[in-house]
Amino acid sequence: QKEVEQDPGPLSVPEGAIVSLNCTYSNSAFQYFMWYRQYSRKGPELLMYTYSSGNKEDGRFTAQVDKSSKYISLFIRDSQPSDSATYLCAMRWGSSASKIIFGSGTRLSIRP
Amino acid sequence: DAGVIQSPRHEVTEMGQEVTLRCKPISGHNSLFWYRQTMMRGLELLIYFNNNVPIDDSGMPEDRFSAKMPNASFSTLKIQPSEPRDSAVYFCASTPKQENTEAFFGQGTRLTVV
Repeated sequence: QKEVEQDPGPLSVPEGAIVSLNCTYSNSAFQYFMWYRQYSRKGPELLMYTYSSGNKEDGRFTAQVDKSSKYISLFIRDSQPSDSATYLCAMRWGSSASKIIFGSGTRLSIRP
Repeated sequence: DAGVIQSPRHEVTEMGQEVTLRCKPISGHNSLFWYRQTMMRGLELLIYFNNNVPIDDSGMPEDRFSAKMPNASFSTLKIQPSEPRDSAVYFCASTPKQENTEAFFGQGTRLTVV
């Protein structure tokens, strides 16, 4: 079993829809949770991060963490064609020397 | 800062040849990660260093793969001999010293072994 599981998609939704992306994890030692966005032929870039259970909002994006269920989500409101990309969840332990484990990524396409 | 710099951006080589990928992390960062990305397996952690010391190389797929970090500003990932199944995009990333920080990625090296 992988430490971090993510549905690879692809996921296609119409412009303006609410998008929900999810990851589950098995290691309860993970403390820091991140979402990266990766455009085609580019490196992943950080979108949001959080290190506590609950919600964190940034514009149209909301990151949600449920440590008791080992489940994290990213919600995108009012989705735009420019949101079309691969979204990867990532996690690490609290130490600055810990590794960062990624989900496999979900390919998202927003139809105009 | 120029960010994480990887070279080359693209590499095409014949099976059996040695391949060396290079990475220059962001100045002041003390952890460096090598990842491999494929459609089938996603983004896999191969090895990571902290203060130039390899901490975890359990993701290195075979003995054909090796990585070094001779100083804080340079790392290499070597594949010898290369095989077609090594074809992938290889990313280098670095993180600063503080706890709970994200990784900053380079643009990647697209490797094709024919």
